[in-house]
Amino acid sequence: GAGVSQSPSNKVTEKGKDVELRCDPISGHTALYWYRQSLGQGLEFLIYFQGNSAPDKSGLPSDRFSAERTGGSVSTLTIQRTQQEDSAVYLCASMPRISGANVLTFGAGSRLTVL
Amino acid sequence: AQSVTQPDIHITVSEGASLELRCNYSYGATPYLFWYVQSPGQGLQLLLKYFSGDTLVQGIKGFEAEFKRSQSSFNLRKPSVHWSDAAEYFCAVGGTTSGTYKYIFGTGTRLKVLA
Repeated sequence: GAGVSQSPSNKVTEKGKDVELRCDPISGHTALYWYRQSLGQGLEFLIYFQGNSAPDKSGLPSDRFSAERTGGSVSTLTIQRTQQEDSAVYLCASMPRISGANVLTFGAGSRLTVL
Repeated sequence: AQSVTQPDIHITVSEGASLELRCNYSYGATPYLFWYVQSPGQGLQLLLKYFSGDTLVQGIKGFEAEFKRSQSSFNLRKPSVHWSDAAEYFCAVGGTTSGTYKYIFGTGTRLKVLA
């Protein structure tokens, strides 16, 4: 696609429920990142995928968080047994390949509210 | 450890005044540096980037930034601010150290523009 697409744009859920957030990167981009942006905070790295390599999951805050990327394209971030502290904007970004001399292109984000 | 510091959480300037947003970084190798802007409800848009070469880089919307290795800084400037520049600005450092590809973001500076 022309840009990074994320869905849903807004999600309200009850504490303890599971949620799935979807990211559709720019066509042909092999690198995909997830970040979390909490109110008044910067962007917290969660996970990145590069092609068929094993993802770097070092930023996932707990084992309730997981992500997968199917077919090297669409990615889903899953949060199990949501807690109120999970409320944040979840941003997805992609770039052509893993390289420092490259630029992340961000989606508009998925705003998650846990009641 | 890699880190980015944006010491100013909020800045208020009058329309037409000059602007400088500060960014300091800690990085174990030659950094790649970025400034992004986030308007309310939007994803992050790249303003400019520094990879190598000329330490003064020009970006979109009349912004520029200067890389100063001796000060570990990458401050963003604009000679004359417009009301539409009101947004949140993020400095980021990226690249490869020890085989990792995490892009580290600062906590952001929220800019308010007075008419």
